[in-house]
Amino acid sequence: EPEVTQTPSHQVTQMGQEVILRCVPISNHLYFYWYRQILGQKVEFLVSFYNNEISEKSEIFDDQFSVERPDGSNFTLKIRSTKLEDSAMYFCASSEDAFTYEQYFGPGTRLTVT
Amino acid sequence: AQSVTQLDSQVPVFEEAPVELRCNYSSSVSVYLFWYVQYPNQGLQLLLKYLSGSTLVKGINGFEAEFNKSQTSFHLRKPSVHISDTAEYFCAVTELRNNNDMRFGAGTRLTVKP
Repeated sequence: EPEVTQTPSHQVTQMGQEVILRCVPISNHLYFYWYRQILGQKVEFLVSFYNNEISEKSEIFDDQFSVERPDGSNFTLKIRSTKLEDSAMYFCASSEDAFTYEQYFGPGTRLTVT
Repeated sequence: AQSVTQLDSQVPVFEEAPVELRCNYSSSVSVYLFWYVQYPNQGLQLLLKYLSGSTLVKGINGFEAEFNKSQTSFHLRKPSVHISDTAEYFCAVTELRNNNDMRFGAGTRLTVKP
């Protein structure tokens, strides 16, 4: 069964450093998403992406965040200058279209900022 | 914007007992509703969804949920739980006018004891 994959599974970085979290969505999916889950808290929507542009973003997704689909398979989340409070689990998701409303989630990348 | 409240942060239950995980939502427009399950160290897996039609929705692993518009609820139920159902369960909602922004509840940790 096709699945969303994410790398790395765990990333440790120092405050102020840039990180790139990588995701490979399901191949025929057109919509892509990033969510984050701070330890012990709820899953929070960050951004959705369609047709090579951001279609929706939350108030969390400020200027330090960016997303990109650099090729036909990868979908990346970049955090330009990490802060301690960016430590969280980051989930990528994809969906086939805007009508099935079923988002398939990857296993997540645990980001630890020290 | 839409929001979700999961009334119980933890639900302990004995094996083979019935369980109900409660979810209430708030929105000024029509919504789609979802339940996701998160097993330890894994991503989110869709259990079931309500888009339209019958208010009783059946999902995987023997779970079902009932959409109650007047009560703005979407409670998840299972008549007989197994040890393997131990996991975190998240209720989520998107608005029909903006299905890209999925909002999650804080989660309910279901612990099934032998």
